[in-house]
Amino acid sequence: DAKTTQPTSMDCAEGRAANLPCNHSTISGNEYVYWYRQIHSQGPQYIIHGLKNNETNEMASLIITEDRKSSTLILPHATLRDTAVYYCIVRADFGNEKLTFGTGTRLTIIP
Amino acid sequence: DVKVTQSSRYLVKRTGEKVFLECVQDMDHENMFWYRQDPGLGLRLIYFSYDVKMKEKGDIPEGYSVSREKKERFSLILESASTNQTSMYLCASSLRVHEQYFGPGTRLTVT
Repeated sequence: DAKTTQPTSMDCAEGRAANLPCNHSTISGNEYVYWYRQIHSQGPQYIIHGLKNNETNEMASLIITEDRKSSTLILPHATLRDTAVYYCIVRADFGNEKLTFGTGTRLTIIP
Repeated sequence: DVKVTQSSRYLVKRTGEKVFLECVQDMDHENMFWYRQDPGLGLRLIYFSYDVKMKEKGDIPEGYSVSREKKERFSLILESASTNQTSMYLCASSLRVHEQYFGPGTRLTVT
């Protein structure tokens, strides 16, 4: 599975859009980009995933560049409850279901 | 809603004790996973199982074993606990789709 690079930490003002970047320059054609987050003292929570196209769900939007070497997770209107560690993961969608978590980005929403 | 439960939130054991961590999921998921989480190292996969009585080693299986006798239950066993196994242990389950659902975690301290 391809390695990902994320900033260690970010701040965002409450009510603003939070944009979390992820670099995955060695991604292969069959590898998906996944985002999970972990709120303090809880287990990780799935947010969204994508292959090539931009994706949106009730939690977030995922923008993947055309060359697929980087992506951005967007939380459109950040709230204090969005303070968490956000993990970007790249994984092929075949074989076992293993996810390899890095150290993620610690996002702090500022009131 | 998918529910993944773990037998304890906090556990304190002595060096050399045999430790059982239990995980139960209620959604008939095929796949179940055990991770440990340590500061600065992210989540690391210990073992996973894709069916009853089936198991696969993850990235750090040494010192651990697992048991899956029923589809809904996946146990992690520390045969002889050591202080370097003090950690947060997270269980997860998934169907053969993209999302893994995590339990709340067990914080194990070995003294």
